[in-house]
Amino acid sequence: SAVISQKPSRDICQRGTSLTIQCQVDSQVTMMFWYRQQPGQSLTLIATANQGSEATYESGFVIDKFPISRPNLTFSTLTVSNMSPEDSSIYLCSAWDRIFEKLFFGSGTQLSVL
Amino acid sequence: EDKVVQSPLSLVVHEGDTVTLNCSYEVTNFRSLLWYKQEKKAPTFLFMLTSSGIEKKSGRLSSILDKKELFSILNITATQTGDSAVYLCAVEGGSEKLVFGKGTKLTVNP
Repeated sequence: SAVISQKPSRDICQRGTSLTIQCQVDSQVTMMFWYRQQPGQSLTLIATANQGSEATYESGFVIDKFPISRPNLTFSTLTVSNMSPEDSSIYLCSAWDRIFEKLFFGSGTQLSVL
Repeated sequence: EDKVVQSPLSLVVHEGDTVTLNCSYEVTNFRSLLWYKQEKKAPTFLFMLTSSGIEKKSGRLSSILDKKELFSILNITATQTGDSAVYLCAVEGGSEKLVFGKGTKLTVNP
C-alpha cells in the first residue's frame, strides 16, 4: 500500500516561532488530512488539505494558526504558527488508500513548545 | 455531532488472556468503521468494516460490526506483551473524514 514520508520526526521549538511539517506520499491521492493528538488524547482532525484550493478547517482550527499547502496530489505541508506550549502535540498527516481500503498515516511529528 | 465511544479506557491483562475491546458510535452518514493500533506516534491500520455482521480476522485479532446496534468489538486472543498498545476505533461519516474514539490502552503483562 501507499507510504507517507513525514518530517521532521520531532522538534523542540520556542514560544512564538513557527514550524512547517511536510508530508510526501509515494502515489497520487485525492484527499489528505492533518490530525493532532494532544498528550493523553485521541486524534482530532485539523483540516482537509485540498489540492489546488484552500484547505477545509474543522471547528476550532483556523487558517492563520495552521496554514496548509497542497500544491499537488502527492505533497502537503502544515505550519503551526506563533506556537505556544498548548501546541505541544503529535501531528499526523494521512491519506486514503482506496485500493487497500484504509486511511494510512505518516510517521508523525512530535512537537514540544517551550 | 459524530461521536465514538470506546470502552474500557484501559485494561491490564496477563499473557495468554483473551480481551474484548468495545466501540460504540453515532454518525450521520456511516460509511465504515476502522480499528488502529498505536504504539508510538503513527497508528497502524488493523481492520476496516463496512457491512454488518461480517467478521474480519487476522491471526489472533478479529473484529465484527453491528450496524443495527451501532457498535463494534475487537477481540484479541492469546495476548502477548507485544499487543500492549492503545487501540483506536474510528468511524468514517462521509467526506472521507474519520472521527476517533479516545482509545483503549491495553497492557499485557508477562
